[in-house]
Amino acid sequence: QVQLVESGGGLVKPGGSLRLSCAASGFTFSDYYMSWIRQAPGKGLEWVSYISSSGSTIYYADSVKGRFTISRDNAKNSLYLQMNSLRAEDTAVYYCVAGIDYWGQGTLVTVSS
Amino acid sequence: EIVLTQSPGTLSLSPGERATLSCRASQSVSSSYLAWYQQKPGQAPRLLIYGASSRATGIPDRFSGSGSGTDFTLTISRLEPEDFAVYYCQQYGSSPVTFGQGTKVEIK
Repeated sequence: QVQLVESGGGLVKPGGSLRLSCAASGFTFSDYYMSWIRQAPGKGLEWVSYISSSGSTIYYADSVKGRFTISRDNAKNSLYLQMNSLRAEDTAVYYCVAGIDYWGQGTLVTVSS
Repeated sequence: EIVLTQSPGTLSLSPGERATLSCRASQSVSSSYLAWYQQKPGQAPRLLIYGASSRATGIPDRFSGSGSGTDFTLTISRLEPEDFAVYYCQQYGSSPVTFGQGTKVEIK
């Protein structure tokens, strides 16, 4: 069955960095565009970043542009999000999403001193 | 950026009743690229409807979507106990992808 498993979340100080990973299985990863979507505690859903199936097209939300970098490795069925210069407002559960269909269970990122 | 406004914010209904949720867009949604998701506490969102009116795999037929342009509706014909949750609409036809703020369907 389809699985998306995020990892790499945790507690980090403001200004710090984290790298999120998402391991995909149960579907043809290279056929899907992928996104990171986040949800701050008790809040709604916010799109963060998009990468096309080949990796040639990338978009970012204005709130993370210049600080976050999305990438993928189709040979490893994996998606990544490098997050630098983290701020308190980046605190959220980060979901890895395939197309619009499949969501991981999320990984919590907490930015706090 | 397309802004999606969902109404009402909270819907208080009893099991067996009909639920009608609205999602209005600030501009026309390209090719009806409008999706609906259900989210329960502590869980990831689950895709219910895509393309404004197509049910995702495994979604019961009590869930239906309709609309086009700027006005979209999710209808749950008869609420089951497991349907009490938060529902989000999403447009994925234009960048950036955007979500509505959510409608909570709670037990009356």
